[in-house]
Amino acid sequence: DTVLTQSPALAVSLGQRVTISCRASKSVSTYMHWYQQKSGQQPKLLIYSASNLESGVPSRFSGSGSGTDFTLTIDPVEADDIANYYCQQSNELPLTFGSGTKLEIK
Amino acid sequence: AVQLVESGGGLVQPKESLKISCAASGFTFSNAAMYWVRQAPGKGLEWVARIRTKPNNYATYYADSVKGRFTISRDDSKSMVYLQMDNLKTEDTAMYYCTAGPNWFAYWGQGTLVTVSS
Repeated sequence: DTVLTQSPALAVSLGQRVTISCRASKSVSTYMHWYQQKSGQQPKLLIYSASNLESGVPSRFSGSGSGTDFTLTIDPVEADDIANYYCQQSNELPLTFGSGTKLEIK
Repeated sequence: AVQLVESGGGLVQPKESLKISCAASGFTFSNAAMYWVRQAPGKGLEWVARIRTKPNNYATYYADSVKGRFTISRDDSKSMVYLQMDNLKTEDTAMYYCTAGPNWFAYWGQGTLVTVSS
């Protein structure tokens, strides 16, 4: 199985830039996707195929990477961005998620 | 607008069965792969099952944790997807989300809670 590793939490000041990382245990090419989950809500797709912004998602969000190392960038961070962020790979079955990164405000 | 509405969750005892459903609308259901993803209380996301489309013979795939116990199915005439869960275990307690997308989860329902407890 492809294991995806994320930092558990990040603290950032409003208006600053934050990068959330995801490292895969083997290459997933660009089959990496990012989701935002706010408290009590279902997840929401932000980025698909490493760098493609989902329709309706603010341009403050961007994604990059290929192979094993990926990043989700939010610039600038707004109060509404407080959430858990998950990466997910679709290069092989089983489809797997990272354990999530909790974004907190300093 | 795309809508996925899950139903059928509830409290069951270990070893019992439960079937949850998802009603889809707002997109061409018959062309979409469908998935179930679950989230245990306070935990992360876990992919559970996938069902492909008719041209792909409705092929199904499962996470090892549910293989042999869960069955995903779909009814294209009703735009419905189902998850039959047998021999439930306490560790199956979770919010179950119905999702749709090519190889990523573009659309999500609000989830249905399944609690397995004696």
